Amino acid sequence: DAGVTQSPTHLIKTRGQQVTLRCSPKSGHDTVSWYQQALGQGPQFIFQYYEEEERQRGNFPDRFSGHQFPNYSSELNVNALLLGDSALYLCASSSHPGGLEYFGPGTRLLVL
Amino acid sequence: DAKTTQPNSMESNEEEPVHLPCNHSTISGTDYIHWYRQLPSQGPEYVIHGLTSNVNNRMASLAIAEDRKSSTLILHRATLRDAAVYYCILRDGSNDYKLSFGAGTTVTVRA
Repeated sequence: DAGVTQSPTHLIKTRGQQVTLRCSPKSGHDTVSWYQQALGQGPQFIFQYYEEEERQRGNFPDRFSGHQFPNYSSELNVNALLLGDSALYLCASSSHPGGLEYFGPGTRLLVL
Repeated sequence: DAKTTQPNSMESNEEEPVHLPCNHSTISGTDYIHWYRQLPSQGPEYVIHGLTSNVNNRMASLAIAEDRKSSTLILHRATLRDAAVYYCILRDGSNDYKLSFGAGTTVTVRA
């Protein structure tokens, strides 16, 4: 049984560019959440998707957007990248909103 | 968001128990207490959660104070694999489903 998978594992971008990160939830899960983890800090909630809609959002600007597909996989898009967007981006899935969240290994994004 | 307070770091010897405290004096009646841990270069891993009663699973035990203003995660026999950052998180069981992570406690296990 595959757990949560994320791609790519690492990514380097320059300021002003756009990036798309991908997540496949654990088998049987239909809810996906995204978190940002800066170096030395705990993860911060970005948003949660369920039934292909954004259900809850954290304190992140509109440059951060997402999408959920009919197969429950999800994408995180970040536009107009800033140096401060350099972080580990974590995807978590659950069997329903409010269910236990299981995390993927993350995508390490470096913005130069 | 309800807040938790944890020590920055703790050290333990291998094969000994580890007791990780967490204070959450502003906890509300619908808040569940969740513990996650994050090993180096990995995503967070669910450890245990509870509402009012003490909980046990194969990884750890969770002891919750009667007034619910504090809790303790207990690792019964620490191994080197238990070295990680441990996060104590309050999660509203009603309609706010996000996990609000703090800085956590960095646990070091000595061989």
